[in-house]
Amino acid sequence: EPEVTQTPSHQVTQMGQEVILRCVPISNHLYFYWYRQILGQKVEFLVSFYNNEISEKSEIFDDQFSVERPDGSNFTLKIRSTKLEDSAMYFCASSRVGTGNTIYFGEGSWLTVV
Amino acid sequence: ELKVEQNPLFLSMQEGKNYTIYCNYSTTSDRLYWYRQDPGKSLESLFVLLSNGAVKQEGRLMASLDTKARLSTLHITAAVHDLSATYFCALEYGNKLVFGAGTILRVKS
Repeated sequence: EPEVTQTPSHQVTQMGQEVILRCVPISNHLYFYWYRQILGQKVEFLVSFYNNEISEKSEIFDDQFSVERPDGSNFTLKIRSTKLEDSAMYFCASSRVGTGNTIYFGEGSWLTVV
Repeated sequence: ELKVEQNPLFLSMQEGKNYTIYCNYSTTSDRLYWYRQDPGKSLESLFVLLSNGAVKQEGRLMASLDTKARLSTLHITAAVHDLSATYFCALEYGNKLVFGAGTILRVKS
């Protein structure tokens, strides 16, 4: 069964460092998303991406965050200067069409900022 | 502010019993999703409910949607230990899902 894959599964970084989280969405999907989940809390939307541009973003997704689809398969989330409060599980997700379809989530990248 | 509220937040139940998790939301939407999450794992899609009155069943789980009441339910029938997990409802709003806080379900034998 096709799945969304994410790397790394776990990353520890120093505060202020840049981090890139990588995702390979399901191959025929057109909509891509990043969500995050701080330990013990609910899942929060960060950004949605379609047709090579951001279609919606949350208040969390400030200037420190960016997304890119550098080639036909990868979808990345960059955090320019990490803060302690960025420590969370980051989930990539994809769907074939934007609404009313199952959104498939990857296994997550656990980011620890120290 | 859009709110998606689940209750209960924690549910401990005996094997073989039935129970319902409730998901209330504060705005008009026709689409509601249920996900399961095991500890340290990703979100597994359970149901996508696309219209008022939608009912879907898979095994011991049944989900329904009442858009007029802005309420979705996830009913568990004859619970088994393998159903222990955290269950999230998520409302589709624009190009995103807005998640509830999750219900931690523990099924005791």
